[in-house]
Amino acid sequence: QQQVKQSPQSLIVQKGGISIINCAYENTAFDYFPWYQQFPGKGPALLIAIRPDVSEKKEGRFTISFNKSAKQFSLHIMDSQPGDSATYFCAASRSNTGKLIFGQGTTLQVKP
Amino acid sequence: DSGVTQTPKHLITATGQRVTLRCSPRSGDLSVYWYQQSLDQGLQFLIQYYNGEERAKGNILERFSAQQFPDLHSELNLSSLELGDSALYFCASSVDQNYGYTFGSGTRLTVV
Repeated sequence: QQQVKQSPQSLIVQKGGISIINCAYENTAFDYFPWYQQFPGKGPALLIAIRPDVSEKKEGRFTISFNKSAKQFSLHIMDSQPGDSATYFCAASRSNTGKLIFGQGTTLQVKP
Repeated sequence: DSGVTQTPKHLITATGQRVTLRCSPRSGDLSVYWYQQSLDQGLQFLIQYYNGEERAKGNILERFSAQQFPDLHSELNLSSLELGDSALYFCASSVDQNYGYTFGSGTRLTVV
């Protein structure tokens, strides 16, 4: 029940295309769903996050879509750029716990 | 620079040895989290401290221990090291437990 399953494991997208990464969770007590971006040699950096009271959140080219009934959420990267090439992690947590459960990560390569 | 400082950046040590990893959180952050990142296990939560007190424990081995000092910096102690302990160890900090946190750049531990 503590798992967060992420897919795909790797993704190759052409420059200008849309990158889509999906995550699914089981624990209905989770109420905070962030996405992190990690470049080689760096720590994960918070990209965008959503709480289950909204179905979508957009920040620039990054959008989280959230489906509470299906217990799924996804990250959409519009107009993908080579600089977006990185590993992306979804995560989930319960309020007042602080502990994030991470998905296994998706390595995104955006080809010029 | 994320504001979370981890030292050392790299550490090579022999099996059976003991090491200490250090983390200074962002100014104003009271919570410190430790994560282990390996290729096969992804990002695994180890332990959380809030203002000097242990708040949550994850899959942390008995050979590992941590503490948070009055100045809020934290140390992760790893003892009786095994080859399988080789990984990236990240520290993260947050103001409280309800928001995403900021990761440091990590300490790469290699046990030989």
